[in-house]
Amino acid sequence: QTVVTQEPSFSVSPGGTITLTCGLNSDSVSASYYPSWYQQTPGQAPRTLIYSTNTRSAGVPDRFSGSILGNKAALTITGTQADDESDYYCMLYLRGAWVFGGGTKLTVL
Amino acid sequence: QVQLVESGGGVVQPGKSLRLSCAASGFTFQNYAMHWVRQAPGKGLEWVGVIVYDGSNEYYAESVKGRFTISRDNAKNTVYLQLNSLRVEDTAVYYCARNGFYYDSDGFDYWGQGTLVTVSS
Repeated sequence: QTVVTQEPSFSVSPGGTITLTCGLNSDSVSASYYPSWYQQTPGQAPRTLIYSTNTRSAGVPDRFSGSILGNKAALTITGTQADDESDYYCMLYLRGAWVFGGGTKLTVL
Repeated sequence: QVQLVESGGGVVQPGKSLRLSCAASGFTFQNYAMHWVRQAPGKGLEWVGVIVYDGSNEYYAESVKGRFTISRDNAKNTVYLQLNSLRVEDTAVYYCARNGFYYDSDGFDYWGQGTLVTVSS
């Protein structure tokens, strides 16, 4: 069974830089999996941040960037702000289906 | 502006059925594939399925295949999710989401606010 892996939790100081990753239990993540990233705060719908590895969705500040790092997709947040405290989900397109990772809970402290 | 508004959620007994709707506005609905995504209480996002722009094909997650059906009415700018043989583990907030312009590469660009389905006896 294909599993998309993410760090369960991460913490960062305000103003800091953090990189969240998105892997596969059975393969390396490449751009051909079209990784995308979503931000969700409690009680709210997800918000699209990044699609197709590194394209920012409309209105997303350039503090958020996507890439492939080694064998994983990555979301980097620079100049982290208090309201970046959220859950972050990656999603991969895998052979006709879309699969989410388990999400990373980001704490800003 | 793009809007997606889900409706139809509620409390239903195990084994029963429910139909969710997602009304779209602010874009040319017939040009886009549409997805359903769910989130069980306290859990992560789970892709449920997709219907392509003209309704000619649908694809589903293994967990719902054979029980859930996605359809669309492009004249009404609405996508539906029929949930049959409901189980307690189907309890979740169900979101509809628009696929980006390119089917495989562009992820989901707009989301509705979700509708809660509770399966309980």
